[in-house]
Amino acid sequence: SQTIHQWPATLVQPVGSPLSLECTVEGTSNPNLYWYRQAAGRGLQLLFYSVGIGQISSEVPQNLSASRPQDRQFILSSKKLLLSDSGFYLCAWSVLEDTQYFGPGTRLTVL
Amino acid sequence: SQELEQSPQSLIVQEGKNLTINCTSSKTLYGLYWYKQKYGEGLIFLMMLQKGGEEKSHEKITAKLDEKKQQSSLHITASQPSHAGIYLCAVGTSYGKLTFGQGTILTVHP
Repeated sequence: SQTIHQWPATLVQPVGSPLSLECTVEGTSNPNLYWYRQAAGRGLQLLFYSVGIGQISSEVPQNLSASRPQDRQFILSSKKLLLSDSGFYLCAWSVLEDTQYFGPGTRLTVL
Repeated sequence: SQELEQSPQSLIVQEGKNLTINCTSSKTLYGLYWYKQKYGEGLIFLMMLQKGGEEKSHEKITAKLDEKKQQSSLHITASQPSHAGIYLCAVGTSYGKLTFGQGTILTVHP
């Protein structure tokens, strides 16, 4: 069966510091991968999606970037964090445009 | 772009009561998803509806898509504390991307 992992689970970082969040998927090949951010425990905003290695599409201009160095690995990064980057970051995978399945999330607090 | 509006925004019920959450779209829905989230955790997929008039059930949760495919409802029968959480509807767009409603926070008092 398929499994999705996110690391770390929680993170507290100072403003201006770099960021690297990792998402890995097991049990499937060539998945579509997605990064979402959830603010205030409500609706999710799509940040990036990827349909293959090295293929990244950005949905909103921001201080973040994403990379997909391997088929089942998706990384969310920032060179310098802002206060507004705080939130709950969720990674998801799907087979083509089928149902998305979500990871456990990373709670990021920028101080 | 397609927008989803959920109502109510929050709901407090006594255990054992029935409840309904609505999700209304600004455009025709071609694939409507329901997810549940416990605070601080990832989303759990509940159901996906595609056809007008379609109805699906999972345990005590039933989701329906109206004939015009612009509104979906999620109904919970005999609610339990385990049903508490945030319920989110979402619609699929290109490349499988999802657009979410703002969520409905459900509290169930024992």
